Amino acid sequence: AQSVTQLGSHVSVSEGALVLLRCNYSSSVPPYLFWYVQYPNQGLQLLLKYTSAATLVKGINGFEAEFKKSETSFHLTKPSAHMSDAAEYFCAVRLMDSSYKLIFGSGTRLLVRP
Amino acid sequence: DVKVTQSSRYLVKRTGEKVFLECVQDMDHENMFWYRQDPGLGLRLIYFSYDVKMKEKGDIPEGYSVSREKKERFSLILESASTNQTSMYLCASSLPRDNQPQHFGDGTRLSIL
Repeated sequence: AQSVTQLGSHVSVSEGALVLLRCNYSSSVPPYLFWYVQYPNQGLQLLLKYTSAATLVKGINGFEAEFKKSETSFHLTKPSAHMSDAAEYFCAVRLMDSSYKLIFGSGTRLLVRP
Repeated sequence: DVKVTQSSRYLVKRTGEKVFLECVQDMDHENMFWYRQDPGLGLRLIYFSYDVKMKEKGDIPEGYSVSREKKERFSLILESASTNQTSMYLCASSLPRDNQPQHFGDGTRLSIL
């Protein structure tokens, strides 16, 4: 069964520091992968998606993610954290069936210290 | 921009009540989904629908039902609310294509007293 693992339920960085949020997936075939962000008391907003066109995917708000098949990873990065990046981040993989369902990781809460 | 609207941001109901959560999307999406979100558990799929009057159970359908009479509207029903259904409920919609993301509403925070 497909699954998604996000390492670290909480990540804390200083403002201006590199952000690295980890996501590993299990899939027997190249998957469709997504990163979402959730600000307090809001729904999920799409940050970026991997759909096999390019291994380095650029998203909104300066985030990007690199698909590494050999490592079954899709880590999210941002070169310089901003206070407004404080939120919860979810990695998701689309099931490779006809349902178009997503399997979500348990989420990583990013804290940005001034 | 896709707009997914959930009828209530906050809702308080009593144990045993029948509760309706409404979701409307404006982009003619075929697929619609209901999730609940609990701390440490991420998002869990309750039900989804891929067409009008079509529905399938997700991972945690017990205690819930759904209705999709029109393409744009997907309702989640708690037949007899219980305190363990206190949660954040999120609705999403998507096109039925491989690389299409799901678009989410702002959520309904439901408290069952």
